[in-house]
Amino acid sequence: AQKITQTQPGMFVQEKEAVTLDCTYDTSDQSYGLFWYKQPSSGEMIFLIYQGSYDEQNATEGRYSLNFQKARKSANLVISASQLGDSAMYFCAMRERGFQKLVFGTGTRLLVSP
Amino acid sequence: DAMVIQNPRYQVTQFGKPVTLSCSQTLNHNVMYWYQQKSSQAPKLLFHYYDKDFNNEADTPDNFQSRRPNTSFCFLDIRSPGLGDAAMYLCATSTLTSGPEETQYFGPGTRLLVL
Repeated sequence: AQKITQTQPGMFVQEKEAVTLDCTYDTSDQSYGLFWYKQPSSGEMIFLIYQGSYDEQNATEGRYSLNFQKARKSANLVISASQLGDSAMYFCAMRERGFQKLVFGTGTRLLVSP
Repeated sequence: DAMVIQNPRYQVTQFGKPVTLSCSQTLNHNVMYWYQQKSSQAPKLLFHYYDKDFNNEADTPDNFQSRRPNTSFCFLDIRSPGLGDAAMYLCATSTLTSGPEETQYFGPGTRLLVL
C-alpha cells in the first residue's frame, strides 16, 4: 500500500527567504510519479511540480524545486524567495503506475510573513 | 486557455434533497476524477472515468453516483445528501500515460453545504 507522509503541519517563513516542505513516501512500485500541489484558501488545487521515479535530475519549475532522494524515499519541495502569495496549504501526492489514483499527504500549511 | 471548470462554485442543499455538481474540461483528457475534501483533510478519490469506463473506489458510499455523457463533461450526483457530505468537491482530469503528462489538473472546486 502507498503512503505519503508530511510531518510538518505548519511552517513559517519570512518573505524572500527559502523554505523546504518535507515529504516522504512508501511504495513497493518501481515506477511512480510524485507531485506537489498548492491549495490557497479559495480551495483550488494548483499543480506545482512533478518528479518521475526514473528521473535522474531534480525537477525545477521557476521558484519551485523538488529535492528527490529516491533511496530515502523523500521528495521535499523547496520554495526559493518566498512571496506573500505563497501562503497556502501544500500537498505532496503520489500516483501508482497502472492505477489512476493520486494518494495525498495530510498537507503542510505555509505562512509567509512580511 | 485550456482548463477545468466546475459549476456551481458554492451549492447549498437541504438534507436528503438530491444535488448535482458539474465539471467540464477543454483539455481533451480521457480521464476525469471526482474527489471529496473535508475541512483540514486531504482530498479523497470517490471515482474516476477512463473514457466511458467508470471506476468506483471501494469505500465510496452508494449515495454518490457519477455520469460522463461525453469527453468534456462529468457530473457528480448525491442522491440523498447528509450533513456529513458537506465538503469541497474537486474535479480533476488527466491523460492515461506516464511521465509529466500524467499530471492531474484540478478545477476550482464546488463547496457543498447541507442544511
